[in-house]
Formats: sequence, C-alpha cells, structure tokens
Amino acid sequence: AQKITQTQPGMFVQEKEAVTLDCTYDTSDPSYGLFWYKQPSSGEMIFLIYQGSYDQQNATEGRYSLNFQKARKSANLVISASQLGDSAMYFCAMREDPSGGSNYKLTFGKGTLLTVNP
Amino acid sequence: DTGVSQDPRHKITKRGQNVTFRCDPISEHNRLYWYRQTLGQGPEFLTYFQNEAQLEKSRLLSDRFSAERPKGSFSTLEIQRTEQGDSAMYLCASSLLQGSYEQYFGPGTRLTVT
Repeated sequence: AQKITQTQPGMFVQEKEAVTLDCTYDTSDPSYGLFWYKQPSSGEMIFLIYQGSYDQQNATEGRYSLNFQKARKSANLVISASQLGDSAMYFCAMREDPSGGSNYKLTFGKGTLLTVNP
Repeated sequence: DTGVSQDPRHKITKRGQNVTFRCDPISEHNRLYWYRQTLGQGPEFLTYFQNEAQLEKSRLLSDRFSAERPKGSFSTLEIQRTEQGDSAMYLCASSLLQGSYEQYFGPGTRLTVT
C-alpha cells in the first residue's frame, strides 16, 4: 500500500483564487511529520510547510496552510490567493518516527501539477 | 547560509561508464540524504548520513552505487557501470538533527545514460 497518496495528477486554478491539494497518508507510528514541497520546472524542491503529528493547530506559512485531519489521515495543502508563480509540481511527504529509530527519511507522493491561469 | 549545492547539474554519460556526483550541504546540518527522482514520480530515498556515518541504504541502492561523506561535510555519490535505468534526477538534502527536521534540497543532478 502506498504511504502517501495524492489523487490529483493535475489541478487548475484562476489567479487570486484559493486551491486545495489533497494528500492522504498511511502509517502506524504515533509520531510522524508531514511536509509539502514545491518543485518548479527548474527541478529544485522547495520546502513549504510542516505539520507534526502532535501539533494541535494546523500549520500556516504565509499563503500556505495545511488542513490536518488526523483521524482521516489527511494533510491537504491550501494555497490562498494563487499567483502565476505558484504553477509547479507539489509533493506531499511524510517522515515516520519509529520507536527507537533515528532515520528521518521522507516518503513522497507522486505529486500534483498545479497550473495557475491568468 | 548558501543553501545545498550539487555538482554537476547535468551529466550525460554512456552506458557502462562510472559517474560521481557531489553534494555540499548547509554547513551546520548533521544529516545528509540522497534521493532519486524519475520522470513523473516523487523522490525516492537512497541513503542518508549522520555526520560521516552512513546509517541506512535503501534496497534501491544496488552494489553499483556507493556514497561517502568522509569528513561529515560534503558527500559524493558514485555509480559504477551505469545503465540506462540509472537515468534520473539525483537530489541531495540536508537537515539538522533536532527540531522539525525539515530537509532542504539542492538543485539536483540530472543524469542521462545513453
């Protein structure tokens, strides 16, 4: 089973509107972290936002917010007031913290290609 | 803070040749990761270092792959006897040992094996 599922291969949004990118995850570890990265056509992965499994409030970073629903195992990214420069691939990723483990590798979804239309 | 850098940015090689990539992490970061990203997929974990110790290798990392981080600073990833299936973007990331552990990625090295 996939650990990170992004069901939207592509999304379109009008400039200045909000858009939600979906992400569901699967883990049995009680401690984990969820990340969103942006990858423009240049290829560099740009960190956007982080949510820890024990965080009580949803994370926000400027125009980015993470809608964290723990019981549903979802971690959707909301981008408000979309800009043309937001057009890129967006990846959801998870870091699991197994008991006694120390490896903090990230497991990524397949990504969603967001296109912002003028 | 100059960010994570990788060299070269692009590499074209013939099948059977050896290639080596370099990654320079953010200077105070203890952890360094290598990922591979093929077309249309998210990055996949290859290996990671804590300081100079290589602590885990993915099953994706065949015997033809070797990675080092000799002084706990920069790292190299070598692929011997390259195959066409090795064509991919090789991404390096670094992070602190404490805190939220967000990983900061370099620009990647795009490898094309002909």
